[in-house]
Amino acid sequence: GDSVTQMEGPVTLSEEAFLTINCTYTATGYPSLFWYVQYPGEGLQLLLKATKADDKGSNKGFEATYRKETTSFHLEKGSVQVSDSAVYFCALSGVLKLVFGQGTRLTINP
Amino acid sequence: GAGVSQTPSNKVTEKGKYVELRCDPISGHTALYWYRQSLGQGPEFLIYFQGTGAADDSGLPNDRFFAVRPEGSVSTLKIQRTERGDSAVYLCASSSNQAGRTGHTEAFFGQGTRLTVV
Repeated sequence: GDSVTQMEGPVTLSEEAFLTINCTYTATGYPSLFWYVQYPGEGLQLLLKATKADDKGSNKGFEATYRKETTSFHLEKGSVQVSDSAVYFCALSGVLKLVFGQGTRLTINP
Repeated sequence: GAGVSQTPSNKVTEKGKYVELRCDPISGHTALYWYRQSLGQGPEFLIYFQGTGAADDSGLPNDRFFAVRPEGSVSTLKIQRTERGDSAVYLCASSSNQAGRTGHTEAFFGQGTRLTVV
C-alpha cells in the first residue's frame, strides 16, 4: 500500500543554518505530495504541496521538489529561524485519503 | 465558522466508558476525514466521508469505533468500551475534494481532541 518515510528526528539546528528533512514515498499512480507543519499547541496546517513530477512547492522560505525518479519530496530551507521550531509531516494523496509520515521534530536554537 | 472545529478539546474518561467526539467541518466541504495521532507518530487514517456516506472506513481499528455524518456536515466519532490504548489525539479534517477525482485538494485540520482513557 501507499506509504511515506521521513528522516527520523529530532533535528536540532542553530538559527540561520541550512535545513533538509528527507522524505521518500511509495505509491501507485501519481499522487500529490504535501508537507504539513504542526507548531506547538496548534493544529496541523499545510506548508506546501506539489501535484505532479518536477513541480516545486514553496512557502515561508521552505521548498520541496517532487522527484518521481527518486520517489522523494525533501523539504529544504536556506536559513532557519527559531520560529520554525515545529513538527513537520510529509504526506501523499492516496486513494481517497492522505497518508502521513511519522513526523520530524525540528528545534532551532538562537 | 472559519475553520474546522473539534469538541471537546480534551476528554478524560474511565476504561470501559463510551465517548463521542464531535467535528464541525468548514462550511461547504463535502469531504471529511478522521485521523488518530499517537504520541510521536504521524496521523493515522480512520475514516473518510464524502457527503453523508462513509466512502472508506478501512482505518477503523475494530468494531468499538463508529462514525456518522447524518446531514453531510457535522460528524461524530463514537468509541464504545474505551481502552487505555485508545488514548491519543483524534484529528478531524475537511476538504472540498470531490468523489471520483484523482489527486487531493488541501485538507484543513482541526486542533484535535486529546482523549485520555484512565
